[in-house]
This record gives sequence, structure tokens and C-alpha cells, in this order.
Amino acid sequence: DTAVSQTPKYLVTQMGNDKSIKCEQNLGHDTMYWYKQDSKKFLKIMFSYNNKELIINETVPNRFSPKSPDKAHLNLHINSLELGDSAVYFCASSQESSLNIQYFGAGTRLSVL
Amino acid sequence: DQQVKQNSPSLSVQEGRISILNCDYTNSMFDYFLWYKKYPAEGPTFLISISSIKDKNEDGRFTVFLNKSAKHLSLHIVPSQPGDSAVYFCAASAGNQFYFGTGTSLTVIP
Repeated sequence: DTAVSQTPKYLVTQMGNDKSIKCEQNLGHDTMYWYKQDSKKFLKIMFSYNNKELIINETVPNRFSPKSPDKAHLNLHINSLELGDSAVYFCASSQESSLNIQYFGAGTRLSVL
Repeated sequence: DQQVKQNSPSLSVQEGRISILNCDYTNSMFDYFLWYKKYPAEGPTFLISISSIKDKNEDGRFTVFLNKSAKHLSLHIVPSQPGDSAVYFCAASAGNQFYFGTGTSLTVIP
């Protein structure tokens, strides 16, 4: 049983399209995150979210939006995809009482052509 | 704003020897430091952590050292094993803010 699962694993799409990446965790955690790892291998946090608060990294374009239908899911919607959005996106989760220890999904490799 | 830096992109070590991975940071407000390990096609996995009030934390073959005055931490793996071959990310946090280094690829040679 995968603790944090994200789909799809690979996503290839054209510029200008809108796409979503799904994330689910079965750990009972109350905080979830999205990270972007770019071509230079920087792993940067994009969002952290629990049922009380959405914290957005101010460098994230508003074309990116997290959507959480329930505590176990945090999906990432991306509108009007650009070439620079090509990266590996990781979902993660943690318990609010232990925010620092995060459990990551296997990543989604997004390629924008 | 690269607040966490891992200046060595790769490291090779013989099996049985010590592996030392280094990490530097710039923000004195960080209160928690972590190391994650990542295999290809997988997400990072938590390995070991240290609070800013400590200078050493040990877990089996893994020890993390923190030097706050130098804003430096290191991960020691001894003895190194081939299964330790992976990318190691250093991370630091302050409240809800998390910062990762760019990783060091460790290869343990049998």
C-alpha cells in the first residue's frame, strides 16, 4: 500500500493546455504539500495546506492552484501551461504535530511541448 | 534565494568506509534540519533529523552533526553500504517554511 500516491507518473502536454495532477495519502495526515523540482534539481515548496490554512509560496504563478476535496487528497491544477512548467512535481504529507517529517509521493514528470 | 546549499553534487566512497555529506545554510532562524534519501523514480524518504538545540543525533549507521556557528551540518554514514547509493537532500525548516538543497549523489562502490 503506497502511503502517498500521485497520478499520473508522466504527463506530456502542449503549451496552453490545462492539466491536473492528483495526490492521495492514506497516512491520516492533516497537512499536504506540493513541491516542484526543476531542471537544476532545486526542490521548492509550492503550497502547504491543511483544513485550516493554505500557505502559498509567493513565487508560484496563480496559474497553479491546489484543490483539496478532503483531508486525504490535494490535487494540483495548472492552467495555461508554459514551457517553464516542465519539471517533476512531488506531493507530500505530514502530521501537523510533526510537520518537519514529510512523506513524499514518487513524483509526476511534467513535460510541456 | 538558495538558503540551503549542498556544494558537492556527487560523492563516491568504498564500501565499509565513512561517507560524509555536507550542507550549508544561510538563515539563522532555521530550527529544524533533516536529511532525506532519494532513489531514482521515487520520492524523497526521511532519513534523520536534528533540532537546532542539539549538535548531534545518531540513528544506527547514520549521524547528523550540526554546527550552528558555522551554519553547517553534515551526515555521516558508517560503514557505507552499496544500498546507501542514492541522492541525499539536506532540508531546513522554520515554521511552515521548508527549504531543500539540490542534493548530493552518493555512490558506494562494492
